[in-house]
Amino acid sequence: AQKITQTQPGMFVQEKEAVTLDCTYDTSDPSYGLFWYKQPSSGEMIFLIYQGSYDQQNATEGRYSLNFQKARKSANLVISASQLGDSAMYFCAMREGNTGGFKTIFGAGTRLFVKA
Amino acid sequence: KAGVTQTPRYLIKTRGQQVTLSCSPISGHRSVSWYQQTPGQGLQFLFEYFSETQRNKGNFPGRFSGRQFSNSRSEMNVSTLELGDSALYLCASSLMGLAGGTDTQYFGPGTRLTVL
Repeated sequence: AQKITQTQPGMFVQEKEAVTLDCTYDTSDPSYGLFWYKQPSSGEMIFLIYQGSYDQQNATEGRYSLNFQKARKSANLVISASQLGDSAMYFCAMREGNTGGFKTIFGAGTRLFVKA
Repeated sequence: KAGVTQTPRYLIKTRGQQVTLSCSPISGHRSVSWYQQTPGQGLQFLFEYFSETQRNKGNFPGRFSGRQFSNSRSEMNVSTLELGDSALYLCASSLMGLAGGTDTQYFGPGTRLTVL
């Protein structure tokens, strides 16, 4: 069955330091997309980064990078140079399916606290 | 380009009533999905629409229904509201719903429903 696991309910990081948020997934589908979203207290889900299952290189978007280890089924998010505004919930998600229908499943999330 | 919009942003209903939530996707996006977010269950997939057709549905009772119009705008309806339906309802749109989940979903700000 499809599953996303985020084992860190909460994380603390010092401002300007890097932090890694863990995510493992389970699927039998060879074709899928992995996403990270940020959810501030306002509730809106903000897209951060995407990694396709066939992508050979790790995705990067500004201060965000995704450490994709396909054999281990892990897709960890790395935030470099943390800022106070990075304090939020972070969700790892997997989207799979075909033209017959798509579904995205989410992990339980990791709450990140950035300390000044 | 305008993002995904959802109306209303906040809603208070009583048990037994019904409610309709609206979602307008990003211009040009044809796939719309709905999610329910609660503290206990996290983010759960409700359904996905593409070209006015429901392509996939999550494990929710029949009280939850939806539709998509020819302009890709979508509505979801919850009938006979229960206390447990109190949640943040998020709508997300993507361009085509491509195979492998390769197109990114962008979320709206959500509708926070409270059932008293």
